[in-house]
Amino acid sequence: DGGITQSPKYLFRKEGQNVTLSCEQNLNHDAMYWYRQDPGQGLRLIYYSQIVNDFQKGDIAEGYSVSREKKESFPLTVTSAQKNPTAFYLCASSTRPNQPQHFGDGTRLSIL
Amino acid sequence: AQSVTQLDSHVSVSEGTPVLLRCNYSSSYSPSLFWYVQHPNKGLQLLLKYTSAATLVKGINGFEAEFKKSETSFHLTKPSAHMSDAAEYFCVVRSDDTGFQKLVFGTGTRLLVSP
Repeated sequence: DGGITQSPKYLFRKEGQNVTLSCEQNLNHDAMYWYRQDPGQGLRLIYYSQIVNDFQKGDIAEGYSVSREKKESFPLTVTSAQKNPTAFYLCASSTRPNQPQHFGDGTRLSIL
Repeated sequence: AQSVTQLDSHVSVSEGTPVLLRCNYSSSYSPSLFWYVQHPNKGLQLLLKYTSAATLVKGINGFEAEFKKSETSFHLTKPSAHMSDAAEYFCVVRSDDTGFQKLVFGTGTRLLVSP
């Protein structure tokens, strides 16, 4: 079945460490997105990529980095510069930008 | 700028009774509006979308929403709640920026369904 796979489901980070969250899709979608979800808040856009080898900052990009070297993959790195990284991270994709987005099941990141 | 306000953070219903989740939007133009559902520790699933066609939009799992421009509302309803409907629901508007049009999410409404 086609879909979006996020791994790992749970991730723990020590202070000062960078960690990378994986997002893979086999839907042949051009556009991919990363969101952060905090309790009692809606989703906030971190980065998005409209096509391979291109990506743009969203509303809360500070402390995060991404790459889009392959159409199916859009990994997110949470750097040590992100002072409050504990959150639920969701990856999404769409056929083209501005089309309905399909979501993965998320990665929950916690700080040890 | 576009925004959505979900008027209730929690809604409790009994199984078999109607569901009403309220959403008001703010938009300069005729907006594109969506409802998504999220079950615990899962991603979001699209329930339905409004894109300036019929004002009454039918979605999956028996949900529907009515776009009311005069009231700037897009409330989500279901005639009879099922236990499996217990989840968090997000009202979403698409921005009307030129180029990339990001999704703007409400803060969510948690639906609780009791037997």
